[in-house]
Amino acid sequence: DAGVIQSPRHEVTEMGQEVTLRCKPISGHNSLFWYRQTMMRGLELLIYFNNNVPIDDSGMPEDRFSAKMPNASFSTLKIQPSEPRDSAVYFCASTAGTGGGNQPQHFGDGTRLSIL
Amino acid sequence: DQQVKQNSPSLSVQEGRISILNCDYTNSMFDYFLWYKKYPAEGPTFLISISSIKDKNEDGRFTVFLNKSAKHLSLHIVPSQPGDSAVYFCAASAPQAGTALIFGKGTTLSVSS
Repeated sequence: DAGVIQSPRHEVTEMGQEVTLRCKPISGHNSLFWYRQTMMRGLELLIYFNNNVPIDDSGMPEDRFSAKMPNASFSTLKIQPSEPRDSAVYFCASTAGTGGGNQPQHFGDGTRLSIL
Repeated sequence: DQQVKQNSPSLSVQEGRISILNCDYTNSMFDYFLWYKKYPAEGPTFLISISSIKDKNEDGRFTVFLNKSAKHLSLHIVPSQPGDSAVYFCAASAPQAGTALIFGKGTTLSVSS
């Protein structure tokens, strides 16, 4: 039973480069979430999709960040251009329904991003 | 301003004893509260949840208590085991359709044998 799959697990790149993080949600789940974890801010929601449509992107820090969900089994989070302050662990999560508290989210193992 | 707060960054407990992890919140509209557990290099995994209309939910060694008047919840682990050593996140959701979770910053639990 495959869980949420994220790739790559680690990414190290230089400032100014484009970074693309990928996520495959659990089959049958129709809500997908992107989170960022940092020491200062903890786990914060960046954006979430329901039925492939972005519902709330108010957590996206700035225009350098963009996310897409072209189909029910794939999503990307892109940073262009990347900056050192983007260094963090990025998690993708999915759930059935709209993701309310009675529908626990299932997380991938994250992508550890380091921008030099 | 943080809506979900875990004021203790860390907690150390001996094996067999009770672990109590605390969480405070500010938004009275939250309808569900959840606890997640996270091991290093892994994503958070769901542990237990409680609806705002209840004051207790139990699942094996894990019990969550909710005190709405104090806007406080706690997770009790009895008895604690070394494998429980992890970061525990408290999270909450509001009743609007499609609202995602708001997480606390986590408490690192260390259980020594």
